[in-house]
Amino acid sequence: DSGVTQTPKHLITATGQRVTLRCSPRSGDLSVYWYQQSLDQGLQFLIQYYNGEERAKGNILERFSAQQFPDLHSELNLSSLELGDSALYFCASSVATGAMGIQETQYFGPGTRLLVL
Amino acid sequence: GQQLNQSPQSMFIQEGEDVSMNCTSSSIFNTWLWYKQDPGEGPVLLIALYKAGELTSNGRLTAQFGITRKDSFLNISASIPSDVGIYFCAGHGVGQGNLIFGKGTKLSVKP
Repeated sequence: DSGVTQTPKHLITATGQRVTLRCSPRSGDLSVYWYQQSLDQGLQFLIQYYNGEERAKGNILERFSAQQFPDLHSELNLSSLELGDSALYFCASSVATGAMGIQETQYFGPGTRLLVL
Repeated sequence: GQQLNQSPQSMFIQEGEDVSMNCTSSSIFNTWLWYKQDPGEGPVLLIALYKAGELTSNGRLTAQFGITRKDSFLNISASIPSDVGIYFCAGHGVGQGNLIFGKGTKLSVKP
């Protein structure tokens, strides 16, 4: 158990809908990262938050957004869903950001499996 | 952008054999991490490396941070059936806060 929790574990929805994925980081971790993993694309970094502020953006679509709340949990919002958005979505957390070394080590949650029909 | 080349893409081995996989980059990395992912689960951290030349073991697993800072390898000794899964290398490039992942090595172990 990495200490990172994600809900829900599974989500089935229809095209055009909007969903929210939730992540709680490990105790003491200030950074939260979101990743998308599909069969043919591997792990793709989406976005990072550090202590409530957006810190880095990866390959995140404009239909997707995220935020990190004062209690440090994070939500990833996916809207106008398309069939191709079906994937595993992982959240990871680390102590800090921008520094080198052990504080940057990321620990992953169990993921949310999204299926868009 | 920065990319990691991980090889081999897949391996089929007999139980008891040793395994070696590696990752290379065209640019310098500050950290190297090795993760294992089981089907439908999140990646689990196996070994983290923070200094060039560092050699670290975790049970039957050994990983090294290459001296050039552009490569890393992971060895698994005396493989067992529960070693089956996908192994990912990942690292932080210079000035990069987000991790870059290799495409994974899928390991199959025949009892």
